[in-house]
Amino acid sequence: GAVVSQHPSWVICKSGTSVKIECRSLDFQATTMFWYRQFPKQSLMLMATSNEGSKATYEQGVEKDKFLINHASLTLSTLTVTSAHPEDSSFYICSARAASGYEQYFGPGTRLTVT
Amino acid sequence: QKEVEQNSGPLSVPEGAIASLNCTYSDRGSQSFFWYRQYSGKSPELIMFIYSNGDKEDGRFTAQLNKASQYVSLLIRDSQPSDSATYLCAVRTSSASKIIFGSGTRLSIRP
Repeated sequence: GAVVSQHPSWVICKSGTSVKIECRSLDFQATTMFWYRQFPKQSLMLMATSNEGSKATYEQGVEKDKFLINHASLTLSTLTVTSAHPEDSSFYICSARAASGYEQYFGPGTRLTVT
Repeated sequence: QKEVEQNSGPLSVPEGAIASLNCTYSDRGSQSFFWYRQYSGKSPELIMFIYSNGDKEDGRFTAQLNKASQYVSLLIRDSQPSDSATYLCAVRTSSASKIIFGSGTRLSIRP
């Protein structure tokens, strides 16, 4: 149980374009989803927290207009990187938590490369 | 002071020995504690969670929690080369609905 999927697993896009990443909880209802970014050899950095049906809460320093998060259902959250730049190239990982538990389960991550 | 602190390592342990990973946290009211394993290029995988003081064992892994000392540890018995990874300590603090991660300890099991 507690499987979280992400799509795509990797994506290459051109500078200035937008990219959407999907995160799905496959066997449980995720009332809360989290989006992280991780640069090589660095720790996870929480970008935002989203609760189903509510606006996402962004961490300090994360531009909400650049990283659009939608959590429209209990099994799906999306992160859209708008007007991507090479410095947005990173490993983006989502995590989901059910209403009944404290544990967070991670998706496999999406590697974004902006050229 | 960081909310969750770990020694970055690398920690090198011979195969078959016990690997001991440590973590301290600053919020005394924290209730939930987690250990994740992350292989290079992969996302974190939950190994164990612990809520109560004392030890919790699961196979070769034992999590230890001491709330008075604000200290949580992970012991890996009979270490295998496949245990080589970065281990992330995570704490759910009393005030937040999110989990705070430490920066991770890189563990290397040498054959």
